[in-house]
Amino acid sequence: KQEVTQIPAALSVPEGENLVLNCSFTDSAIYNLQWFRQDPGKGLTSLLLIQSSQREQTSGRLNASLDKSSGRSTLYIAASQPGDSATYLCAVRDGGKSTFGDGTTLTVKP
Amino acid sequence: NAGVTQTPKFRVLKTGQSMTLLCAQDMNHEYMYWYRQDPGMGLRLIHYSVGEGTTAKGEVPDGYNVSRLKKQNFLLGLESAAPSQTSVYFCASSSNQDRPAETQYFGPGTRLLVL
Repeated sequence: KQEVTQIPAALSVPEGENLVLNCSFTDSAIYNLQWFRQDPGKGLTSLLLIQSSQREQTSGRLNASLDKSSGRSTLYIAASQPGDSATYLCAVRDGGKSTFGDGTTLTVKP
Repeated sequence: NAGVTQTPKFRVLKTGQSMTLLCAQDMNHEYMYWYRQDPGMGLRLIHYSVGEGTTAKGEVPDGYNVSRLKKQNFLLGLESAAPSQTSVYFCASSSNQDRPAETQYFGPGTRLLVL
């Protein structure tokens, strides 16, 4: 059974800092890994999707990497802003279903 | 396009009552999913559907039933609500379940409180 773990559970940083969120998974036989953002009381918004054959994806200040062999992914956020405050979830898809981590709640202080 | 919509947005039920949550998507997606999210936790798959007329069990199916009579709609039913079913329910859809580039699109969620 696939298990997804996200560390840390919560993170608070001052504005402008670069930061890394971590996601690990137990079964490397995945189709893709996806990072989502969730604002309080809202649904999930897809940020980046890394296919199993890819190593990383970039979108603006966000960069996500994937190391299937070690079962790890990182989400790098550059020059953080208060508007980045949200919960970030990673999910791995292994053919039939997606398995989600519990999320990292990020607070960026002005 | 509205994407994925969910009805209702919020509902309070008494133990033993029944209700149906409606999910609709206008992207002509084949695959649809129902998840629940509990405080401090990720999403857990309840049921999913790979096409009109099909349904399958996910990770936590007990106490729920689903139907996919039309391609654009996926209904989640609670026959006899229990306090343990208090949660936020998310619907999602995707065009294909098995392509590596495929992403899921999520609805805004339904908050359910069972007293």
